[in-house]
Amino acid sequence: GAVVSQHPSRVICKSGTSVKIECRSLDFQATTMFWYRQFPKQSLMLMATSNEGSKATYEQGVEKDKFLINHASLTLSTLTVTSAHPEDSSFYICSASIPRDRNTEAFFGQGTRLTVV
Amino acid sequence: GNSVTQMEGPVTLSEEAFLTINCTYTATGYPSLFWYVQYPGEGLQLLLKATKADDKGSNKGFEATYRKETTSFHLEKGSVQVSDSAVYFCALSNSGNTPLVFGKGTRLSVIA
Repeated sequence: GAVVSQHPSRVICKSGTSVKIECRSLDFQATTMFWYRQFPKQSLMLMATSNEGSKATYEQGVEKDKFLINHASLTLSTLTVTSAHPEDSSFYICSASIPRDRNTEAFFGQGTRLTVV
Repeated sequence: GNSVTQMEGPVTLSEEAFLTINCTYTATGYPSLFWYVQYPGEGLQLLLKATKADDKGSNKGFEATYRKETTSFHLEKGSVQVSDSAVYFCALSNSGNTPLVFGKGTRLSVIA
């Protein structure tokens, strides 16, 4: 089945630095990928929709200058948390689906645990 | 709009007990329905899915039937194991290019 790989799985960074998280579709082309944030013991919160070759679409309340998304190819989307602060510490997950097929499930990356100290 | 409502947790069961996690949905058209499972510290894994009315998805002893008349997709397992302890998410999809709509998740703890 289709695989989505997310890297790194865990990162610790200092306050004020930036962190980049990669999301790759390994065996299919994903024109659209999604980025979620998950707080402890809560559901997934959709942050943004990453569109290949165009600007990402952000959900209400998500700072686009804080969470930079780049979808430069059909198999790679990156999320950069800029000037990270402790409140940005969270679990970030990406997903992708096979385009135009509503019957297919979303394939999720393994998630990235970000800790800002 | 589309939405998914699933029973609030946490749910604590003894090993070999019967499990039901309720899920109902509101959607336009004919969505596909999914159950995902999340083990501690990991991403989401597809557990099962159903793409049309009366379809039954099944995997690892879990089952769920797509009931259009009651707009439900309840998850069941006849005999749970400690290894089933995880968070379970019900979700729906109307298109491959739109994000899944998730329920809030139900945490299951199975004790020996």
